[in-house]
Amino acid sequence: DAGITQSPRHKVTETGTPVTLRCHQTENHRYMYWYRQDPGHGLRLIHYSYGVKDTDKGEVSDGYSVSRSKTEDFLLTLESATSSQTSVYFCAAGTPQTGEAFFGQGTRLTVV
Amino acid sequence: SQQGEEDPQALSIQEGENATMNCSYKTSINNLQWYRQNSGRGLVHLILIRSNEREKHSGRLRVTLDTSKKSSSLLITASRAADTASYFCATPPEGANNLFFGTGTRLTVIP
Repeated sequence: DAGITQSPRHKVTETGTPVTLRCHQTENHRYMYWYRQDPGHGLRLIHYSYGVKDTDKGEVSDGYSVSRSKTEDFLLTLESATSSQTSVYFCAAGTPQTGEAFFGQGTRLTVV
Repeated sequence: SQQGEEDPQALSIQEGENATMNCSYKTSINNLQWYRQNSGRGLVHLILIRSNEREKHSGRLRVTLDTSKKSSSLLITASRAADTASYFCATPPEGANNLFFGTGTRLTVIP
């Protein structure tokens, strides 16, 4: 896992509640990513960060926000969780233009 | 969608056979990467091929890249039961640092 830690690993929440997922890295990678993985869709990019306080949208950003106040932490917030956001969420860090991305173990989120 | 696509979606072979999976992508790229995902786990990087390379080897893995067709293939030779996993290609668009994944190929190697 090269120092990528996601928390929590599992979460069940109710529709309409806010949820924050945390990604922590120990390798000082500049770029960090949040993906969701759903059957039949592979991994879809939600948001990514290219530095502290520098973020940009991915393919499926509606209903999600992110923050990066420190190099090592990248937070994903579901502002008002919906059942369609039930998924497995993966965080990654790295420099894709020159090398690999390292992934966390994933967070399984269920919205009921 | 900016995703690439892998083909086939699922592949089942006998141990010892070769497995080939293909990836098509949509944008100009600097490199193409292949990742493996065991059930319930995060993705692990396998190999990276740069846009100016046509073929690359790593152990039992062989990757080819055809930028004119925007396609790549991953060959796993002499497969083992432990190769059972999902395999994804990933592409960082040229000049960008976001990273897009395909939909994956589910490989099952039967002992």
